[in-house]
Parts: sequence; structure tokens; C-alpha cells
Amino acid sequence: AQRVTQPEKLLSVFKGAPVELKCNYSYSGSPELFWYVQYSRQRLQLLLRHISRESIKGFTADLNKGETSFHLKKPFAQEEDSAMYYCALLYNFNKFYFGSGTKLNVKP
Amino acid sequence: DTGVSQNPRHKITKRGQNVTFRCDPISEHNRLYWYRQTLGQGPEFLTYFQNEAQLEKSRLLSDRFSAERPKGSFSTLEIQRTEQGDSAMYLCASSVDSYEQYFGPGTRLTVT
Repeated sequence: AQRVTQPEKLLSVFKGAPVELKCNYSYSGSPELFWYVQYSRQRLQLLLRHISRESIKGFTADLNKGETSFHLKKPFAQEEDSAMYYCALLYNFNKFYFGSGTKLNVKP
Repeated sequence: DTGVSQNPRHKITKRGQNVTFRCDPISEHNRLYWYRQTLGQGPEFLTYFQNEAQLEKSRLLSDRFSAERPKGSFSTLEIQRTEQGDSAMYLCASSVDSYEQYFGPGTRLTVT
């Protein structure tokens, strides 16, 4: 069965510290993975997707098929990065499975 | 076009009543999704439309739930005989392709 696991409910780091938000998936096919972000009082929005291999707002994520992971990383966290982050798996071109989310709190 | 809109934003209803939510997607987005989100969880897929055709429906969706997208434009999600367990945020999203969904603000349903 398809599943997305985000083991951390809350991650607190200081400004300027590196941050890694963990995401593990379970899927028998070729995965397509995404990170969505929700800032306070804003809508859920796409942050990045693995197929584009791009860096958005300093964030990157590498798909590791051997470890079935798609961790989100940023070398130097900023206060404006504080938000809820959701990892998502696209299944069968039409269905998305979302993880339960990690709240990132960047302290000054 | 200011993005995906959903109405109402909040709905309080008594158990057993029917409720209907509306989603207006971004113009020319042919794909439309409905999700349910409960506290502490991520969005849970409910159903998917491509134009007016409902192509996917979650097995978690009971017979009390029905969705339509007439003419491939706006969509409605109806819940019949609401139960307290239906209390959640209902999210709508639209997209041009499979990859980037644009989410609405959601409709928060409270069943008393």
C-alpha cells in the first residue's frame, strides 16, 4: 500500500542552523514526490517536486530510492521558513498521498 | 482570477443534516481534487475530476458523500446525514497537470 511517513511532528531550530525534514514513502512503482508548505494563515502551496531537481527558497530534496526517502534540506534556516511542511506522493497520475506534516519552527 | 475559491468558509450543522460545499477552480484548470483534513493530519484524498468526469474516488468515501462537477467548471461536495466524525477541513485544489495543485482556503465543517 502507498504510504508517506513524516516522523517528526515538530522541528525547532535556531536561525542560521541547518534543517532537515524527513519523509519516507512506501510505493511499489516509480515514485513522484513533492513537498508542499503552508505558512501561517495561508493556503497550502507547492514548494518543490523531485522531477524538477530545483532549489526553491534555498530548499532542496533528493529522492533516495534505496532508502525510500525524500528528505527536505536547507543549509541555513531563516525565520520566514517557519511553517507546516507536507511530503506528498503522486500515485497513478491522479491521487496524492500526503504525510501528516512537520511543523518547522525557526527561532531567532 | 484570484485563485481557487471555496464557499462557505465555515459551516456548523447538526448531526443528521445535509451539507453542500462549493469549489470554484482557477479558470481553464481541467483537474479538480477534493481532500479532507483533520487536526494533526495531512490532506486525505477524497476524489478527482478531469473536466466533468469523476475519475477517482477514495474507498474511504462512504455513500453519504457525493461530488459533482457539471460542465467541468465549479464542483460541489455534498455530505448527507452528517456525523460528528465528518467534522474536518474540506479542501479543494485545481491544476492543469498532475504536478502542481493550487489549493483553496478550505471549508471548515463542524458537526454538533
